[in-house]
Amino acid sequence: DTAVSQTPKYLVTQMGNDKSIKCEQNLGHDTMYWYKQDSKKFLKIMFSYNNKELIINETVPNRFSPKSPDKAHLNLHINSLELGDSAVYFCASSQPGAHEQYFGPGTRLTVT
Amino acid sequence: DAKTTQPTSMDCAEGRAANLPCNHSTISGNEYVYWYRQIHSQGPQYIIHGLKNNETNEMASLIITEDRKSSTLILPHATLRDTAVYYCIVRVASGEGGNQFYFGTGTSLTVIP
Repeated sequence: DTAVSQTPKYLVTQMGNDKSIKCEQNLGHDTMYWYKQDSKKFLKIMFSYNNKELIINETVPNRFSPKSPDKAHLNLHINSLELGDSAVYFCASSQPGAHEQYFGPGTRLTVT
Repeated sequence: DAKTTQPTSMDCAEGRAANLPCNHSTISGNEYVYWYRQIHSQGPQYIIHGLKNNETNEMASLIITEDRKSSTLILPHATLRDTAVYYCIVRVASGEGGNQFYFGTGTSLTVIP
């Protein structure tokens, strides 16, 4: 009975491809997030999103775009993948303004 | 957000209390102290948060100094499953846009049998 789930768990692709990572939460939360953890283990916020507001971390390239088909899903679409995009991507959710965020298990993206 | 400083690594004997310090000397009055941990190959897990007062929940206790410039996370009886990287984050609680947490390098805690 997973609270925040992500698919796929592993994704290997070539440079230049376009790929999506899916995230679903069954907690009824209104706010969802995407984080990136690089090879040095630094965990950085990429986006936070609810049905009213998208907040984009200014360092995120516009090749990355969150897409939300409904409140329970926030997918991450990446265009023209680059080697530097290789990382583990974590989805999270929370109630608006809540202190606690619930994280998914992560998707390890490898770009070759 | 205020900068936090944590030791890179710590060891703790199983069954003993683990005390993880965090320095946040530039914290402002409306910034909360949050603690998360990340067990190897898993997503981060919320532990506890506080503003001014000490806090306790089923996982841990958070002790914040009176001047709020530092805090200590206490795991009262560490188990092997507590081996993880522990992140101390200082952040103003956001509104509906969500809390964008900025994780530092954290403290790698190893619980030793």
